[in-house]
Amino acid sequence: SQQGEEDPQALSIQEGENATMNCSYKTSINNLQWYRQNSGRGLVHLILIRSNEREKHSGRLRVTLDTSKKSSSLLITASRAADTASYFCATVGTQGGSEKLVFGKGMKLTVNP
Amino acid sequence: DTGVSQDPRHKITKRGQNVTFRCDPISEHNRLYWYRQTLGQGPEFLTYFQNEAQLEKSRLLSDRFSAERPKGSFSTLEIQHTEQGDSAMYLCASSLSVGTGAYNEQFFGPGTRLTVL
Repeated sequence: SQQGEEDPQALSIQEGENATMNCSYKTSINNLQWYRQNSGRGLVHLILIRSNEREKHSGRLRVTLDTSKKSSSLLITASRAADTASYFCATVGTQGGSEKLVFGKGMKLTVNP
Repeated sequence: DTGVSQDPRHKITKRGQNVTFRCDPISEHNRLYWYRQTLGQGPEFLTYFQNEAQLEKSRLLSDRFSAERPKGSFSTLEIQHTEQGDSAMYLCASSLSVGTGAYNEQFFGPGTRLTVL
């Protein structure tokens, strides 16, 4: 079963605008990650934030984590047409040692040139 | 290319047939994961190996599914008596776990898309 749920499920913006995606999850986590997927390149890891972190930056990406609300957000600044893809949040739980990823349903981002 | 590879990339089969997929992880990675992704959904965990040992299986992995990693390197996922509901993308990922307690990033392959007619 999937734990995360991204919001909105689809977003269409113009190139240069910012895109914000939200993710909610249900159980305690070790870390939360964001992935991008498009038909050409498969599933690509974007950024990881640990449960004891509140904010992280990587290039044009900014991730926040609020463990009290069990939610995270991904901000993509100055979007480009190449950012068009599906985005997933995925969590790693605190139980067990498998480090298996529990993904949300994903959000489709379209950046119009 | 030293990333995770999967073969075949696409497989079309008829209901009731058996299919087998292969995953070659990044060479030094000791952990290997299988996930399944249906249309419009995120990937769902199926099973994982640490070296050659299969350490966890999801409830999604019915008796018709079997996975092996005989020498701790490549892995195979076999589905017997395929059903239309098995149609999905099957993703493989690998990671290097060194036991330090730090999280070990998983690297994904391109997937095998299965269509059961």
